[in-house]
Amino acid sequence: ETGVTQTPRHLVMGMTNKKSLKCEQHLGHNAMYWYKQSAKKPLELMFVYSLEERVENNSVPSRFSPECPNSSHLFLHLHTLQPEDSALYLCASSQGQGIQETQYFGPGTRLLVL
Amino acid sequence: AQSVAQPEDQVNVAEGNPLTVKCTYSVSGNPYLFWYVQYPNRGLQFLLKYITGDNLVKGSYGFEAEFNKSQTSFHLKKPSALVSDSALYFCAVRDDSGSARQLTFGSGTQLTVLP
Repeated sequence: ETGVTQTPRHLVMGMTNKKSLKCEQHLGHNAMYWYKQSAKKPLELMFVYSLEERVENNSVPSRFSPECPNSSHLFLHLHTLQPEDSALYLCASSQGQGIQETQYFGPGTRLLVL
Repeated sequence: AQSVAQPEDQVNVAEGNPLTVKCTYSVSGNPYLFWYVQYPNRGLQFLLKYITGDNLVKGSYGFEAEFNKSQTSFHLKKPSALVSDSALYFCAVRDDSGSARQLTFGSGTQLTVLP
């Protein structure tokens, strides 16, 4: 797990706050991902950044805003969140081998929106 | 379109007994299948994957999975369960007809190994 790190590990925020989640990968990968993990639901892919493309899940609300300044860092900016956004947010990275590539995950940020 | 089903939310097994965690999939093209494990308050850890070739894939911690094309299944197995195997297990699939980055996960199976 030390290959992909996430900070903070826990975050409590009010609905009017603005905060950011940070992800850093030390694996030399060229693609990074944000997933949302809610209880009893499959992992939901939110965003993908790679050299070839940026992919957004159209169902993700605009109150989530990703930023990828380079291939090692990925941010998720949060503003005016809702209580239903409380979840575990997972970052992942992969090295582009196309269809065969494996994604490696960070430990996640547990977010609670009050 | 691709989808994954993990039909069991919970699997209980006694320590030392063999374990099976089930996964079935649906894809348009050729499937690429993955198993991940998640321990409490941790991220997902990669266990193994099937790309092509031998239908029996061996992975980390003594786990293996069998790809069955006719039954569209990719069940995770271990000959002798350990208490430390207790965790949440996710099956995932990608096919070659869509985005190479799109990985679809099942809803997870909670494995409990009883001492």
